[in-house]
Amino acid sequence: ETGVTQSPTHLIKTRGQQVTLRCSSQSGHNTVSWYQQALGQGPQFIFQYYREEENGRGNFPPRFSGLQFPNYSSELNVNALELDDSALYLCASSLPRREDGYTFGSGTRLTVV
Amino acid sequence: AQTVTQSQPEMSVQEAETVTLSCTYDTSESDYYLFWYKQPPSRQMILVIRQEAYKQQNATENRFSVNFQKAAKSFSLKISDSQLGDAAMYFCAYRMTEYGNKLVFGAGTILRVKS
Repeated sequence: ETGVTQSPTHLIKTRGQQVTLRCSSQSGHNTVSWYQQALGQGPQFIFQYYREEENGRGNFPPRFSGLQFPNYSSELNVNALELDDSALYLCASSLPRREDGYTFGSGTRLTVV
Repeated sequence: AQTVTQSQPEMSVQEAETVTLSCTYDTSESDYYLFWYKQPPSRQMILVIRQEAYKQQNATENRFSVNFQKAAKSFSLKISDSQLGDAAMYFCAYRMTEYGNKLVFGAGTILRVKS
């Protein structure tokens, strides 16, 4: 059983640029969520996808967007990067049942300069 | 809005001793799930233990157990026989029923284990 894999592991971008982060969900999981974790803080929910449809979104601006593919892998896109976007971005997959804890990837560390 | 509060930014424990990490939450729901996650320096969030709000019995996973007080909205984690490998950031999390069952995390507690 494979876990959740994210790529790249580290990324440095310039303010104003666009970035795409990728996530492969755990086998059998059809729900993928993305979280932003600033240094020293708890993760904050960005959005969630279930069967290729967004079914929940946190308090993030529209320049944060995503996709889920038929194989349940997912992308997080961030346009017009700002310095405050520097954070660890975590992808998590699960079945859509509340009793299931998410399985998390190791994250992508994004630095915006 | 649901919130999760971890009031201990940092805790220390001697190897082989017991430590308790605190967590309180606020919700108007009657049925929900609570989780403790561990995040070591490798950054991957690892599920430690989960608790269903409807279950009276406190969850236990080997050396990890919880003290779930539903009326007080308290969900503490007890680690017995602490090991060096337990050193990590620990997050308490609540799984909502709305907004796609998202997780709401606390700010975390850094646990240091002394040898």
